[in-house]
Amino acid sequence: QSVLTQPPSASGTPGQRVTISCSGSSSNIGGNSVNWYQQLPGAAPKLLIYSSYQRPSGVPDRVSGAKSGTSASLAISGLQSDDEADYYCAAWDDSLNGPVFGGGTKLTVL
Amino acid sequence: QVQLVESGGGVVHPGGSLRVSCTASGFTFSYYAMHWVRQVPGKGLEWVALISSDGSRRSYADTVKGRFTISRDNSMQTLFLQMTSLRHEETAVYYCARDLGAPGSALDSWGQGTLVTVSS
Repeated sequence: QSVLTQPPSASGTPGQRVTISCSGSSSNIGGNSVNWYQQLPGAAPKLLIYSSYQRPSGVPDRVSGAKSGTSASLAISGLQSDDEADYYCAAWDDSLNGPVFGGGTKLTVL
Repeated sequence: QVQLVESGGGVVHPGGSLRVSCTASGFTFSYYAMHWVRQVPGKGLEWVALISSDGSRRSYADTVKGRFTISRDNSMQTLFLQMTSLRHEETAVYYCARDLGAPGSALDSWGQGTLVTVSS
């Protein structure tokens, strides 16, 4: 069982906006920033959002992150077939002294 | 460009030991903290261990504490993970990843992973 909680699945049609939630506690999301990763089938994870809101170079601005209290969310607008992947949230945990991950959300583009 | 290449994976018996490596190129390795993250086939990501840029600080997941050791050789731009007393459930792809350095330990570059299979 993962420390951070994500829905196991999400879906949307091309062009739609999809949001994936991530819930934690005061020892992780509540006191630290959140990172999001995208993992395409058969590939290594890729950093999508860091410090809760920041996009690394090369990540389009239709991808955004938000954080409030002990929860965070990832939003992808203008959904494309290429967005079909697993998405993981992560945050530093002060109690465990290391980063913790969510269980992952499988995004399907219908 | 930043590149991380893991090696050393393979089949090991339960209770056995294995050392995996990660060779870095395209950046100044000694400037960055590094992590190991693993993924059981078909499952999610699990953080394993972290080492500071100079190797002076290390942190481990509770599940591996006392059995795994993370280390690095900055002169060789290489990261290591020594694993002992391996268990069936630790069959996984082991990734090395670079810490961006921003608050929260964002992992901005990942290797392709090396598969460790624990089986009798």
